[in-house]
Amino acid sequence: EIVLTQSPATLSLSPGERATLSCRASQSVNYSLAWYQQKPGQAPRLIIYDTSNRATGIPARFSGSGSGTDFTLTISSLEPEDFAVYYCQQRSNWPLVYTFGQGTKLEIK
Amino acid sequence: QVQLQQSGPGLEKPSQTLSLTCAISGDSVSSNSAAWNWIRQSPSRGLEWLGRTYYRSKWYNDYAVSVKSRITINPDTSKNQLSLQLNSVTPEDTAVYYCARAAAGENWFGPWGQGTLVTVSS
Repeated sequence: EIVLTQSPATLSLSPGERATLSCRASQSVNYSLAWYQQKPGQAPRLIIYDTSNRATGIPARFSGSGSGTDFTLTISSLEPEDFAVYYCQQRSNWPLVYTFGQGTKLEIK
Repeated sequence: QVQLQQSGPGLEKPSQTLSLTCAISGDSVSSNSAAWNWIRQSPSRGLEWLGRTYYRSKWYNDYAVSVKSRITINPDTSKNQLSLQLNSVTPEDTAVYYCARAAAGENWFGPWGQGTLVTVSS
């Protein structure tokens, strides 16, 4: 089973700064990667799918990149509403399983 | 747009069966272009995919190896919803449970239900 490791566990930044979140897979990802944003008391919300595509309604300051085992979520200029926990997720076959990273908490500095 | 509304008890006793439902609006549980999933989240296990049901001329199910012996996901076409049953629960099954849609052929989830906290305790 592919394990996703996110870093850092916590990222402290100020509004207006650039955020770079990392997701590393224990082996090459067979399919593309997705990213989710979760705020306290809410369900995760899809923000990036197929590694680099923004989901409907997601602002252009969010971007995703990467391939193989290394993936990145970048927020170009943080807004107050961006402070949340972010998870990466991938799919493997044989057996079918969808796995998530442990999350990066983006907090206000 | 697609919306998922979850319901079910928030407390189960050890060894009992956890049962939740997820009502779908804006789409059909029988859709040939979607799969309907259950995912749970706990501090100890993080986000964990549990399984899915989907219809492609007939019904299919896939379950995570970790719960395969205890889980059943069923569609209810008359009510346009899906259900989750998890047998023989232990305190380790305490988690927030979510239902979520995945588009056919896609590897991501959206939208998600609002979540249901289920506590397993005597």
